[in-house]
Amino acid sequence: KQEVTQIPAALSVPEGENLVLNCSFTDSAIYNLQWFRQDPGKGLTSLLLIQSSQREQTSGRLNASLDKSSGRSTLYIAASQPGDSATYLCAVRHGSSNTGKLIFGQGTTLQVKP
Amino acid sequence: DTAVSQTPKYLVTQMGNDKSIKCEQNLGHDTMYWYKQDSKKFLKIMFSYNNKELIINETVPNRFSPKSPDKAHLNLHINSLELGDSAVYFCASSQEPQSGNTIYFGEGSWLTVV
Repeated sequence: KQEVTQIPAALSVPEGENLVLNCSFTDSAIYNLQWFRQDPGKGLTSLLLIQSSQREQTSGRLNASLDKSSGRSTLYIAASQPGDSATYLCAVRHGSSNTGKLIFGQGTTLQVKP
Repeated sequence: DTAVSQTPKYLVTQMGNDKSIKCEQNLGHDTMYWYKQDSKKFLKIMFSYNNKELIINETVPNRFSPKSPDKAHLNLHINSLELGDSAVYFCASSQEPQSGNTIYFGEGSWLTVV
């Protein structure tokens, strides 16, 4: 059974710091892995998607890596800003197709202090 | 224009009532989903439809019945609502390959059963 864990559950950093959010999954048979952002009272916004054959994806100040064999992904945020404060969710699409289940971690709530 | 829209955004109702949440996507995607986010912020899939056909049905009480009149719509009907049904319900859609397998979420429907 696929399980996704995110550490830490909460993180508070001063503005400008670089930070890493961690995601681990128990079954390496994944189709892809996606990082989302959720603002309070809002839906989820997709940040980065990494296919199972890829090692990393970058978008602006965000870089996500994937190590399928060890069941790990990291989301690196460079030069953090107060606007980055949100909950970050990692999700793996289990199985061999795009219609497989998306299994979420419980998220890391990030607070960036000005 | 909102890509995945769901209504209502907020719903407060009494135990025992029947209610529906509607979802529409204008992305031309073939696959749509319903997710439930509980009070601990844990997101879990409920249903997935591909081209109007049910492909994932998690262990959800049969009081919950999804209906897909066409591939752009996936509505969720809930009979005999219980206190434990209080949660945020998210609709989502995805398509292989043009969206890069990214999944797009609606803003959520906050259901409170009293």
